[in-house]
Amino acid sequence: NAGVMQNPRHLVRRRGQEARLRCSPMKGHSHVYWYRQLPEEGLKFMVYLQKENIIDESGMPKERFSAEFPKEGPSILRIQQVVRGDSAAYFCASSAVATNEKLFFGSGTQLSVL
Amino acid sequence: GQQVMQIPQYQHVQEGEDFTTYCNSSTTLSNIQWYKQRPGGHPVFLIQLVKSGEVKKQKRLTFQFGEAKKNSSLHITATQTTDVGTYFCAGDFGNEKLTFGTGTRLTIIP
Repeated sequence: NAGVMQNPRHLVRRRGQEARLRCSPMKGHSHVYWYRQLPEEGLKFMVYLQKENIIDESGMPKERFSAEFPKEGPSILRIQQVVRGDSAAYFCASSAVATNEKLFFGSGTQLSVL
Repeated sequence: GQQVMQIPQYQHVQEGEDFTTYCNSSTTLSNIQWYKQRPGGHPVFLIQLVKSGEVKKQKRLTFQFGEAKKNSSLHITATQTTDVGTYFCAGDFGNEKLTFGTGTRLTIIP
């Protein structure tokens, strides 16, 4: 029973390029959350999605960032025109129901912007 | 806004000593969860507390939820090198997302 799968593990982009981060939730999970973590800091909520719906995107910058969770396929976090400040670890988590259940985290994507 | 504060930020202890991290919320929580993140790893769920005044134990780990459901603590008895990592509390304010604390990074001196 595969856990939450994130890819790539490491992603290097130059300033101005686009970054696409993928997350496949655990089998049977329809709730996906994206968190961002800077070195030596906590996890900052970005966005919460259910299949085909964005439920809460209050933690996501309004410009350059977008997220989707299509009916088929993984959830995608997309960052356009990346800047150095976007460098961070991006974690995806999934749950079977809402957040009164525990979250299962993926291994994260470390984004480095040169 | 709804925030979860955690102290201390860092804790260095001798192996065998006890360790405690504290978590405080600005408002009442529906429930609180605790996660552990090993260096270079991802957060892993430890426990969830729901009831006011609840106490749960997992071997050497004791978790408490305050009577007002605004604070929580994690206590580790007789730390071991395998306890190294960052411990996060995460509060559920009933708004369909978990708000993570800033974490306490535990290092063990052998």
